[in-house]
Amino acid sequence: DTAVSQTPKYLVTQMGNDKSIKCEQNLGHDTMYWYKQDSKKFLKIMFSYNNKELIINETVPNRFSPKSPDKAHLNLHINSLELGDSAVYFCASSQVGRSGNTIYFGEGSWLTVV
Amino acid sequence: QKEVEQNSGPLSVPEGAIASLNCTYSDRGSQSFFWYRQYSGKSPELIMFIYSNGDKEDGRFTAQLNKASQYVSLLIRDSQPSDSATYLCAVNIIDTGNQFYFGTGTSLTVIP
Repeated sequence: DTAVSQTPKYLVTQMGNDKSIKCEQNLGHDTMYWYKQDSKKFLKIMFSYNNKELIINETVPNRFSPKSPDKAHLNLHINSLELGDSAVYFCASSQVGRSGNTIYFGEGSWLTVV
Repeated sequence: QKEVEQNSGPLSVPEGAIASLNCTYSDRGSQSFFWYRQYSGKSPELIMFIYSNGDKEDGRFTAQLNKASQYVSLLIRDSQPSDSATYLCAVNIIDTGNQFYFGTGTSLTVIP
């Protein structure tokens, strides 16, 4: 069973289009995230949902909007795609526990904007 | 974005040698620290985590944490070619909503 799954894995689309990436976790975690990884391998936090509270990274353009229908799902919708949006987007989840917590990643979604 | 800094490398070591990876962080609210390994085209996978000052060993890997110096390191003993990957340091800050902040990664190549 895949703990954190995201779809699609590969997405090629034209500038100006709107696209969504879906994410689901079956770990029962309270917190889910979206990270963007650029060509230099930097994993940058975009959003997190923690106990239904959305935490927004102020550097993320408002063309990006997360949607969480329930605790197990956190989807990412992107409007008016730009060339600079090309990157790998990772969904992740974690849970604070007595022994601390660990963040688990999905397999990534490779987005290419042409 | 909380600052987590790593030497980007690339770092090359011969097979069987010790690889040393370093990470510094700026936020004293950081509560736990992680090392992830990422192979090209794959997602990051956890190597180990550390919460307390000192050393923590797991097989060929040893993490070292010094909170006073805001420094965490990873030693890989008896390096193998399969250890060639990008290593990401991460800090976890629970008080601000259970956030994880990552460094830019260090590229390691183990030469057979």
